[in-house]
Amino acid sequence: EVQLVESGGGLVQPGRSMKLSCAASGFTFNNYDMAWVCQAPKKGLEWVATISYDGSSTYYRDSVKGRFTISRDNAKSTLYLQMDSLRSEDTATYYCARQPFYYYDGTYYYDWYFDFWGPGTMVTVSS
Amino acid sequence: NIVLTQSPATLSVTPGESVSLSCRASQSISTSIHWYQQKSNESPRLLIKYASQSISGIPSRFSGSGSGTDFTLSINRVESEDFSIYYCQQSYSSLLTFGSGTKLEIK
Repeated sequence: EVQLVESGGGLVQPGRSMKLSCAASGFTFNNYDMAWVCQAPKKGLEWVATISYDGSSTYYRDSVKGRFTISRDNAKSTLYLQMDSLRSEDTATYYCARQPFYYYDGTYYYDWYFDFWGPGTMVTVSS
Repeated sequence: NIVLTQSPATLSVTPGESVSLSCRASQSISTSIHWYQQKSNESPRLLIKYASQSISGIPSRFSGSGSGTDFTLSINRVESEDFSIYYCQQSYSSLLTFGSGTKLEIK
């Protein structure tokens, strides 16, 4: 069974840092691109960042570029999000999500939607 | 960025009715649209991929259609467990975006 479990959320002051983790199990972690998606209270979903299966490529939404860093440790089947210079508008539940792939005619194709999600971890940025 | 506009924001229906939820893209995105369901206090669940492709384990009453800029999620005979928020998401651009959601509520 695929499981994604986030941790590391909590209350943090504006301008400070926080690091989120996502422990994955039930699938071969190093085969999949992974992502963080956030949801501010009573608001919709926002994609934050994606990292390729081997960590060689990363992608970010504009509002977090230069402040957030997505990374992974494939030996530990764990995804991370380092959040620096936090702002009140970063207050949200942060979900870890898996991006699927498929194999066709000798090539792997990496998809950009989310087939499994963790339960999320809440980050509150406030003084 | 590609903007996705979902309508209506809220849809009030009686169990047993069939409904259609709309998602419109600000530019043509082929069939690169995916639908999710989010129940209260839960994480989202993938319902449909690439506009109309079904997902294992999702009830057959959920279906999707559309291409280009206009997409529809249809629910045939809504059941009580279906009352939740539905989001569309585009993967045409690597700057992924979601719609603002449609809340399906009991009339």
